[in-house]
Parts: sequence; structure tokens; C-alpha cells
Amino acid sequence: SAVISQKPSRDICQRGTSLTIQCQVDSQVTMMFWYRQQPGQSLTLIATANQGSEATYESGFVIDKFPISRPNLTFSTLTVSNMSPEDSSIYLCSVEDLRDWGPYGYTFGSGTRLTVV
Amino acid sequence: DQQVKQNSPSLSVQEGRISILNCDYTNSMFDYFLWYKKYPAEGPTFLISISSIKDKNEDGRFTVFLNKSAKHLSLHIVPSQPGDSAVYFCAARHLGKSTFGDGTTLTVKP
Repeated sequence: SAVISQKPSRDICQRGTSLTIQCQVDSQVTMMFWYRQQPGQSLTLIATANQGSEATYESGFVIDKFPISRPNLTFSTLTVSNMSPEDSSIYLCSVEDLRDWGPYGYTFGSGTRLTVV
Repeated sequence: DQQVKQNSPSLSVQEGRISILNCDYTNSMFDYFLWYKKYPAEGPTFLISISSIKDKNEDGRFTVFLNKSAKHLSLHIVPSQPGDSAVYFCAARHLGKSTFGDGTTLTVKP
């Protein structure tokens, strides 16, 4: 399965600033997924990043707040813009591991723990 | 509307016994169901999956059961080991995207 390097692993940011999270995959993948896990809650899909096209955002998430780049098939960034304390979460990127017989689950990065003060 | 639910936030079992984690879903369009394990400060790790056309899949100590009529799946861990202590998420997949439950924290006591 793919190996994902995600950074930074954690950050403490001031309200109103922006943070860009990077994910590097060791193989080429068509889709990369960005998730958020708020304290005590499940993983919520933010958007799907496809190389060469605009990211597809889920309900409740917008490009102005969470701009995504996907310059090639092994790399993606997620920016959390104009941050507020409500953005304090763990942010994870992931790729799907597909086998001949079907999906073998997602491989996740180790996550970015963001605290906004 | 939460499409994937894990109604038990926590479960505690004795080492060597069976752990049963449950998950319910509402969307009949899901084509695969998956279980993940998550340790603190790490991303979730894939454990086992099951296609919607099957009712059981086994991998070592882990077995997933799917009851489509009840829209229910469960993960059985036998025998449970202290290293299994983690948060377990079930997820349901449709069109390549997965929806996750809230997780169940499993504690296996030595």
C-alpha cells in the first residue's frame, strides 16, 4: 500500500492566519482525500483532490476557506484560511488502496493537529 | 443525517475474550464496508473490508459480518489482545468516498 508523508504534524496558529498542510505520496494516485477530525468526533470528508482539475468539496466546506492544490499525482496541499478556534482539529490526507478485487481501504497520513488560539 | 453510526462509544473486554464492535448504516447504496483502527497521534489504519455482496470476511483474528437486511455490520476480534486497545471506526464506501462512524474505543484488559 501507499506511504503518505504529511506535514506539519502539529501547529499552533493565531486567529486570522492561514496554514498549509502538505501530503506527499510515494506512488501516483488519481484521487487524494482530505478529512477533518474534530475533537471527540468522527472523520469528515472535506474534499476530493484530483490532479488537473478543481477539487470537489463536500457540503459545508468551501474553496475559499479550504483551498486545495494538486499539482501532480503524488502531492497535494490543503490550506486552512482565516483560521478561528473552531478550526482546531486533526486534518488528514488519504488515498484509496485499490486491488483487483476491490478497495483495500484508505491509507492515511499521520495527521496534522491544528490548534487555533 | 448520520449515515454511519457506532452506537457504543466504548467497549472493555478481558484479554483472550471476544471483542464485538457494531455499526449501523442507512444508505443502501454503499458498496463496501471497512474497519479502521486508530491509535493516538496516528492516522487510521485499515483493518478489514467486506463487499456488500458478501456476508462474512475473515482475516486472522478479525472477522467482519454484514447483515444487509438489517443494515448492520460487526467486527469480531478473537482472541482480544491488549495491543488491540484503540479507537475503531467503521466506514461505508460509495463512489470512492467513505463515510465514517464516530468510533468505538476498545480497551482490552490484561
